[in-house]
Amino acid sequence: RKEVEQDPGPFNVPEGATVAFNCTYSNSASQSFFWYRQDCRKEPKLLMSVYSSGNEDGRFTAQLNRASQYISLLIRDSKLSDSATYLCVVIHNAGKSTFGDGTTLTVKP
Amino acid sequence: DTEVTQTPKHLVMGMTNKKSLKCEQHMGHRAMYWYKQKAKKPPELMFVYSYEKLSINESVPSRFSPECPNSSLLNLHLHALQPEDSALYLCASSQDPPDRGLDEQYFGPGTRLTVT
Repeated sequence: RKEVEQDPGPFNVPEGATVAFNCTYSNSASQSFFWYRQDCRKEPKLLMSVYSSGNEDGRFTAQLNRASQYISLLIRDSKLSDSATYLCVVIHNAGKSTFGDGTTLTVKP
Repeated sequence: DTEVTQTPKHLVMGMTNKKSLKCEQHMGHRAMYWYKQKAKKPPELMFVYSYEKLSINESVPSRFSPECPNSSLLNLHLHALQPEDSALYLCASSQDPPDRGLDEQYFGPGTRLTVT
């Protein structure tokens, strides 16, 4: 079993749609969680940290469920510019960071 | 300012060459990282430096040799690479070491390496 697993893509949605990604992790000692986006041939860019209480930044909401060992990212009112690959990252208490394989989102007019 | 810079942007090297990748950050971050990313794959952690000391080596072959000359600089020395080492090499930094508070990682643009 992979340490971090993401929903398989691709996700193709129309503008204005709401889309959600999930990511599960296997190491219960994991402590830090993040969502990154990566555009083609670019570096990953931090989108959000994920906290136990959940957090929201504009159209983006991230949640953490420690009991079920998953994190989620919700994007509301999708824009064309949201098209990218979304990567979840999990850091466990030994300090190792593991990326999920990524989920590709395409927002269409 | 969350800028991490990397040089060169592109590098082509033969299997007998020795080259170095460079990474720099001036954010006062105390942890720096090297990742390797192959096409259509996620980044894979190679090394972590915390307070200028190597804290994690993910069983990387010795033909990759990291070096942290000071708190702002991180190098990756390359020697006798194989064609399968061709990839995008990403550097990142975080204010705190991983899993110790402010450990959000900020990535540089990467060096696209081709080994011939």
